[in-house]
Amino acid sequence: DTGVSQDPRHKITKRGQNVTFRCDPISEHNRLYWYRQTLGQGPEFLTYFQNEAQLEKSRLLSDRFSAERPKGSFSTLEIQRTEQGDSAMYLCASSPRGGLTSPLHFGNGTRLTVT
Amino acid sequence: DAKTTQPNSMESNEEEPVHLPCNHSTISGTDYIHWYRQLPSQGPEYVIHGLTSNVNNRMASLAIAEDRKSSTLILHRATLRDAAVYYCILREDNQGGKLIFGQGTELSVKP
Repeated sequence: DTGVSQDPRHKITKRGQNVTFRCDPISEHNRLYWYRQTLGQGPEFLTYFQNEAQLEKSRLLSDRFSAERPKGSFSTLEIQRTEQGDSAMYLCASSPRGGLTSPLHFGNGTRLTVT
Repeated sequence: DAKTTQPNSMESNEEEPVHLPCNHSTISGTDYIHWYRQLPSQGPEYVIHGLTSNVNNRMASLAIAEDRKSSTLILHRATLRDAAVYYCILREDNQGGKLIFGQGTELSVKP
């Protein structure tokens, strides 16, 4: 169990550029979640996958955001035409299955700064 | 929206017990109570969860009120490494297993 890995740890980009983040979940974890966290706030849910299927997207996930999980393994989160309001920590989590008792294992996030 | 209420901050002394309260008056019969904590510059970390009965694990204890409208996370001996934001979360059957975080309680531990 090497934990959830996120890459890069930090990203600085100019407004209007596209960025992509990667998340490698714990091996054989079926569920994968993306969250966004701004300073002083709790993480906000963005979307989640069961294997390769994206089962839910928050209304926070505007059409500039897209997430994929090809082959049900790693996942990518892309933000197109970044805005300063996109500056945040983007967190990924995985769990072995759905249900109400299976804990989520979080990575340490990608911190995005849009200048 | 988060359906729990927690104090914004609490202070504790090192090596003393800490009781972190959480109110969840709208809890339904199938909702689980989960606690996570987030250390500075890290992602959240699972602490404990329960449904009706009190629960113990190596990190903490969870005391759940008989009517389930409140719960308390108990750290038996606080250490400096326990300084973190603690989140109390209701995990609901109709939410696909995701966690809805509130503001949490920021715990500071004094030496």
